[in-house]
Amino acid sequence: GEDVEQSLFLSVREGDSSVINCTYTDSSSTYLYWYKQEPGAGLQLLTYIFSNMDMKQDQRLTVLLNKKDKHLSLRIADTQTGDSAIYFCAEPFSGGYNKLIFGAGTRLAVHP
Amino acid sequence: DAGVIQSPRHEVTEMGQEVTLRCKPISGHDYLFWYRQTMMRGLELLIYFNNNVPIDDSGMPEDRFSAKMPNASFSTLKIQPSEPRDSAVYFCASRTGSSPYTEAFFGQGTRLTVV
Repeated sequence: GEDVEQSLFLSVREGDSSVINCTYTDSSSTYLYWYKQEPGAGLQLLTYIFSNMDMKQDQRLTVLLNKKDKHLSLRIADTQTGDSAIYFCAEPFSGGYNKLIFGAGTRLAVHP
Repeated sequence: DAGVIQSPRHEVTEMGQEVTLRCKPISGHDYLFWYRQTMMRGLELLIYFNNNVPIDDSGMPEDRFSAKMPNASFSTLKIQPSEPRDSAVYFCASRTGSSPYTEAFFGQGTRLTVV
């Protein structure tokens, strides 16, 4: 069945780049997602990538997709303290976009 | 719009009691989702509705859990009887349409503690 794995913690210095990694299992996934959860809040869609792309850039965010290895990464350039949050990778369950399988989330801590 | 509104924000109840969580989706959204978040299991989809009709409830853990959506602006998730292992943060989310890149907007969640 589908499974999404992420490392649990990442600590970076303010101004550095952050790279959050994710592996997924369903090779038929056509979209893959990154969500952000700030303390005490629900999840917020950060960005998504279509499987026929290998890179997507959106301001400070860069998503890289390696379909062969089923590896997804999120790079945040010039990381700020406001980027401190939990980041979730997600893939659709069996191609159905209304049911997403989330990773456990990577807690990003940004320190001065 | 005020976004997805959940109530209560926090709920503490004793084991065996009935708990009802409430959600008001964003006006005009035709999909509504209930998620549960725990440290052990992460974020799990419990059930979702389309146009007030339950579409997939395969994530509902057991018969103690039930969800209703009597109209387009209100949904409830009920646990009866509650158990300590139900302690979690419960999120409601809504979206419009079924496009794969249409964002689902989440409420702030209800933190449930069953003692």
